[in-house]
Amino acid sequence: AQSVTQLDSHVSVSEGTPVLLRCNYSSSYSPSLFWYVQHPNKGLQLLLKYTSAATLVKGINGFEAEFKKSETSFHLTKPSAHMSDAAEYFCSNSGGYQKVTFGTGTKLQVIP
Amino acid sequence: EPEVTQTPSHQVTQMGQEVILRCVPISNHLYFYWYRQILGQKVEFLVSFYNNEISEKSEIFDDQFSVERPDGSNFTLKIRSTKLEDSAMYFCASSERLGHEQYFGPGTRLTVT
Repeated sequence: AQSVTQLDSHVSVSEGTPVLLRCNYSSSYSPSLFWYVQHPNKGLQLLLKYTSAATLVKGINGFEAEFKKSETSFHLTKPSAHMSDAAEYFCSNSGGYQKVTFGTGTKLQVIP
Repeated sequence: EPEVTQTPSHQVTQMGQEVILRCVPISNHLYFYWYRQILGQKVEFLVSFYNNEISEKSEIFDDQFSVERPDGSNFTLKIRSTKLEDSAMYFCASSERLGHEQYFGPGTRLTVT
């Protein structure tokens, strides 16, 4: 079975400072990991994906994530937060299964 | 860029009524999914559909729910007799292959009164 754990329900950063959103995974199979972003009253937008290629994955809007098998982690980072990054972020894992299992989400607040 | 579309964006219905939520997946995708998100909670898998049949479903997807691909483009979720607890945002998704990223539609907000 696959699962993900998002370690922080809320993260608050100042504009221009780095962002770190943490995610740990477990998977019976080789994981397929994704980060999605959800802006208020909007759908889920794919930020980036890891599917057993490069361990450092670059996504849209300057986000990236590093797959660390030894730590079973897939943390999302961005060097400099923008106001437009304020949203809820979901880590997810399909792990070879059809369904995607989502984490509980991390709400990112960006303070001007 | 191709995208998944869903209609309607918001549906209000009375308890006990049937609703059909509609989705148009990305045209070359073969796998289709429905998820729901109750307000303030995480996104939950409902069902996946491939080759004109259900391939996986969750415990949430009981006999009140059904899915159909009535033609070459639409993918629908029917709730036969809605309950208050069915109120949620329902997301359709599609993927090109198994295990590949799923592309989500904007969602249909279902409100059962």
